[in-house]
Amino acid sequence: DVKVTQSSRYLVKRTGEKVFLECVQDMDHENMFWYRQDPGLGLRLIYFSYDVKMKEKGDIPEGYSVSREKKERFSLILESASTNQTSMYLCASSLAGTLLRETQYFGPGTRLLVL
Amino acid sequence: DQQVKQNSPSLSVQEGRISILNCDYTNSMFDYFLWYKKYPAEGPTFLISISSIKDKNEDGRFTVFLNKSAKHLSLHIVPSQPGDSAVYFCAGMYNTGNQFYFGTGTSLTVIP
Repeated sequence: DVKVTQSSRYLVKRTGEKVFLECVQDMDHENMFWYRQDPGLGLRLIYFSYDVKMKEKGDIPEGYSVSREKKERFSLILESASTNQTSMYLCASSLAGTLLRETQYFGPGTRLLVL
Repeated sequence: DQQVKQNSPSLSVQEGRISILNCDYTNSMFDYFLWYKKYPAEGPTFLISISSIKDKNEDGRFTVFLNKSAKHLSLHIVPSQPGDSAVYFCAGMYNTGNQFYFGTGTSLTVIP
């Protein structure tokens, strides 16, 4: 059974703080993703990675960076948190497949509040 | 610009009846679609998918229909059960793409 875990369920940070969101998957998946979920906007892709040390920008990468030093771990970094980054952050992983069509397995999410 | 749209933010259905969730897309290059289901405080879970070479895919109580000419897909749940109450997201991907594009979600409530 695939398990994707996220380091925190809830986080409260102040504007300007550096924020790290960690995601770990235990199924040796090649692909990992970071999304944010906002009311009325659905899930929007921030960054994804298809291999260690590889990263690709999604639809809304501004204000974020990522790190993938190990296959099982994908970190999302908010260099200087802002109030408009208050959101639910979801991590996902999937096997490598043709055009990344494999099913994505999601973690439980981290609800981040930036004050 | 939202490439996948779910115009109904919420839907209420009586237990035992059919639930129909709708999804429209704008990108004619999309050729693979999925539905995900999300309970509160949990991540989305994969429900069912369909390739554009098909117009229907069925899995138990869940059937997805694809109308390519209308750029429309729908998810039918028959019969609906209270445990189906969740937010449903549809997503599309185009044939040379590398990411899913998710809709805004429809919150389904099945009334016992």
